[in-house]
Amino acid sequence: GAGVSQSPSNKVTEKGKDVELRCDPISGHTALYWYRQSLGQGLEFLIYFQGNSAPDKSGLPSDRFSAERTGGSVSTLTIQRTQQEDSAVYLCASSSDRGPYEQYFGPGTRLTVT
Amino acid sequence: GENVEQHPSTLSVQEGDSAVIKCTYSDSASNYFPWYKQELGKRPQLIIDIRSNVGEKKDQRIAVTLNKTAKHFSLHITETQPEDSAVYFCAASTGWGKFQFGAGTQVVVTP
Repeated sequence: GAGVSQSPSNKVTEKGKDVELRCDPISGHTALYWYRQSLGQGLEFLIYFQGNSAPDKSGLPSDRFSAERTGGSVSTLTIQRTQQEDSAVYLCASSSDRGPYEQYFGPGTRLTVT
Repeated sequence: GENVEQHPSTLSVQEGDSAVIKCTYSDSASNYFPWYKQELGKRPQLIIDIRSNVGEKKDQRIAVTLNKTAKHFSLHITETQPEDSAVYFCAASTGWGKFQFGAGTQVVVTP
């Protein structure tokens, strides 16, 4: 079946502009995660959605970052007033709550802030 | 919260030799420990995982061991091949909620 998809694949924006990144999880997966990966670095947790529960936002680096998940499916990560340090690959992953908890990652969105 | 440390950060091995990557975690409630492989420019992909009710799991040339008492787990790759060259990430989770990833190990297998 279809895997996790993300759009756009690449985004170049000017400092100070807002950006929206989209994630389409695997159908039926109730858990959805956003991570940030800077060049040559590890995976930095940003936010986690599980079903209808309140999201775990503990990884969001500042109040310029926010995310929504509509209808328990598609998610949008919004970065307001982008800064150069926001440049990174933003990865989305989804998993089934039935286990075995494997996270399936999307291809990522490469964000470059100029 | 959970903290996962991963060592070494880089690992160079000769083709055919074994590679071992070690991770430690801090939250005793963690019960699920996956390992992901990320090739250059690609997404992370699960290669093996282990739950806290077993101490070892093997899949062909890859094995993972878990020591719950010491809170550490390791990835073992035997008979390494050039296609094993990638960045490997360990992670720990309670199964619900967020995963805490290690910083990654760059493995380079030289022919």
